[in-house]
Amino acid sequence: EDQVTQSPEALRLQEGESSSLNCSYTVSGLRGLFWYRQDPGKGPEFLFTLYSAGEEKEKERLKATLTKKESFLHITAPKPEDSATYLCAVQGGGGSNYKLTFGKGTLLTVNP
Amino acid sequence: DTEVTQTPKHLVMGMTNKKSLKCEQHMGHRAMYWYKQKAKKPPELMFVYSYEKLSINESVPSRFSPECPNSSLLNLHLHALQPEDSALYLCASSQMDRGRTEAFFGQGTRLTVV
Repeated sequence: EDQVTQSPEALRLQEGESSSLNCSYTVSGLRGLFWYRQDPGKGPEFLFTLYSAGEEKEKERLKATLTKKESFLHITAPKPEDSATYLCAVQGGGGSNYKLTFGKGTLLTVNP
Repeated sequence: DTEVTQTPKHLVMGMTNKKSLKCEQHMGHRAMYWYKQKAKKPPELMFVYSYEKLSINESVPSRFSPECPNSSLLNLHLHALQPEDSALYLCASSQMDRGRTEAFFGQGTRLTVV
């Protein structure tokens, strides 16, 4: 069974204070690892897909990286508008038929 | 355009009511999903349709009945729900081509069962 563990559960940063969120996973035949941002009461917003170890993707202040066991979401010089819950999900290739398995998320708060 | 549209945004229903949630996408995606999300929890998969056929049912109670009338539409029919079914119901869609399987979510329907 696919498993995803995110840490920390919550993270408070000052504006401009860079940090990283962790996503550890076990999956049978990784088809893809996905990062989403979710604001309260809204649906998850797609950020990145990573398919193979060593891959990196960037978007504005966010950078996602992938190894064979974990992924990191690096946040550089965050702003208050980056405050949200960040979800990591994996899609396995072991007959999972495109099912996404989510971690519990990291609640990020960026103070001005 | 990466938009998945869900209606209604909010729904309050009694335990004896029948209602339906609707989802629409025009991205040509051939996989569509229903997820349920409780407060401060991650989304939990309920159903997956691929090429308009039900491919995954995560042991969801029969009071939830999915329907995929065509490749752009997905419905979730609700009947005799319980208060514990109150949650945010999310629809998503994705391609099924290798290297393009990211799922795009709608904004959800906030369901309250009274």
